[in-house]
Amino acid sequence: EPEVTQTPSHQVTQMGQEVILRCVPISNHLYFYWYRQILGQKVEFLVSFYNNEISEKSEIFDDQFSVERPDGSNFTLKIRSTKLEDSAMYFCASRLSDRQYTQYFGPGTRLTVL
Amino acid sequence: GQQLNQSPQSMFIQEGEDVSMNCTSSSIFNTWLWYKQDPGEGPVLLIALYKAGELTSNGRLTAQFGITRKDSFLNISASIPSDVGIYFCAGLILNTGTASKLTFGTGTRLQVTL
Repeated sequence: EPEVTQTPSHQVTQMGQEVILRCVPISNHLYFYWYRQILGQKVEFLVSFYNNEISEKSEIFDDQFSVERPDGSNFTLKIRSTKLEDSAMYFCASRLSDRQYTQYFGPGTRLTVL
Repeated sequence: GQQLNQSPQSMFIQEGEDVSMNCTSSSIFNTWLWYKQDPGEGPVLLIALYKAGELTSNGRLTAQFGITRKDSFLNISASIPSDVGIYFCAGLILNTGTASKLTFGTGTRLQVTL
């Protein structure tokens, strides 16, 4: 069964460093998402991406964040200058089409900012 | 923003018991999804509900989309140890031209004792 994959599974970085989290959505899916989950809390929406542009973003997704789909398979989240409060699990999700509303999640990347 | 409150926050049950949890919102959603999350992993879709009043089953799981569109419940019958995890409801508002983000609930932590 097709699934969303994410790399790395765990990323440790120093405050102020740039990180890039990678995702390979399910092939032929058209909508892509990033969510984050701070330890012990609920999952929060960051950004959605469709047709090679951002569709919607939350207040969390400030100028330090960016997303890119550099080729036909990868979908990346970049944090330019990480802060301690960026430590969280970051989940990528994808959705097939306009008529299919179900989002399928990847296993996540645990980001630890020291 | 929209808030989804889940109850109970956590529950301890014995193997074989039935479980019921619910999710309420002050806002209307077009779609309700129920996910299960195991520690350190991404949310896994359990059930999707698309119409008010809809009752859907998936094995031992049954979920309903409330008539008011502001609530949903999930039942698990004859619980087993592998049902342990955190159960999240997620609501979706379908907006034409956007990728339609998910709003997650606060989660119900389920622990099953033998």
